Amino acid sequence: QVHLQESGPGLLKPSETLSLNCIVSGGSISSYYWSWIRQPPGKGLEWIGYVSHSGGTDYNPSLKSRVTMSVDMSKNQFSLKMSSVTAADTAIYYCARDLPGGDDALDMWGQGTMVTVSS
Amino acid sequence: DIQMTQSPSSLSASVGDRVTITCRASQGIANSLAWYQQNPGKAPKLLVYTAFRLQNGVPSRFSGSRSGTEYTLTISSLQPEDFATYYCQQYYGSPLTFGGGTKVDIK
Repeated sequence: QVHLQESGPGLLKPSETLSLNCIVSGGSISSYYWSWIRQPPGKGLEWIGYVSHSGGTDYNPSLKSRVTMSVDMSKNQFSLKMSSVTAADTAIYYCARDLPGGDDALDMWGQGTMVTVSS
Repeated sequence: DIQMTQSPSSLSASVGDRVTITCRASQGIANSLAWYQQNPGKAPKLLVYTAFRLQNGVPSRFSGSRSGTEYTLTISSLQPEDFATYYCQQYYGSPLTFGGGTKVDIK
């Protein structure tokens, strides 16, 4: 059974860079697309973007100027970096796997990690 | 961006009730639609994809349908474990976008 686990600092100051990793266990990172989604406390879901196993990316235009995603095949993990964070970036951050076969529905999710931006 | 308008934002229902939740897309999305269930403090769980297809392991009381640009999730007989928040998501165009959510609570 594939398992995703996010990791990274839970508290950042404004203007710092958010760095999160998602380790994939129980399966290979190959042949899939891997997404990041966030959810501000008590609010809805926002797709941040995805990275493919080969390193191709697609980002939400609303965040594109601040976001970089990458994949590390040797560690079976993928990463999110978001620069110049503000309080508006406070949210639960989830990593997730796209369904195989071309559908961009998200069939496997990590448990989520809370990131707070505060001075 | 493709806007997904989900309704209602909340509803109260009893065990055994039939429940329907609707998402309207701002443009055609050719069945590229998924439904998720989220319990408090948990990650979303995929229920339905390609508008109609039930994800493996999801009970058959859940079903998806479409009429024009309107997509519907139906729970045929609400069970205690179904009280949760539900989201639709389109993946026809980038960026992927979600509906605002529907909270289903106990009447």
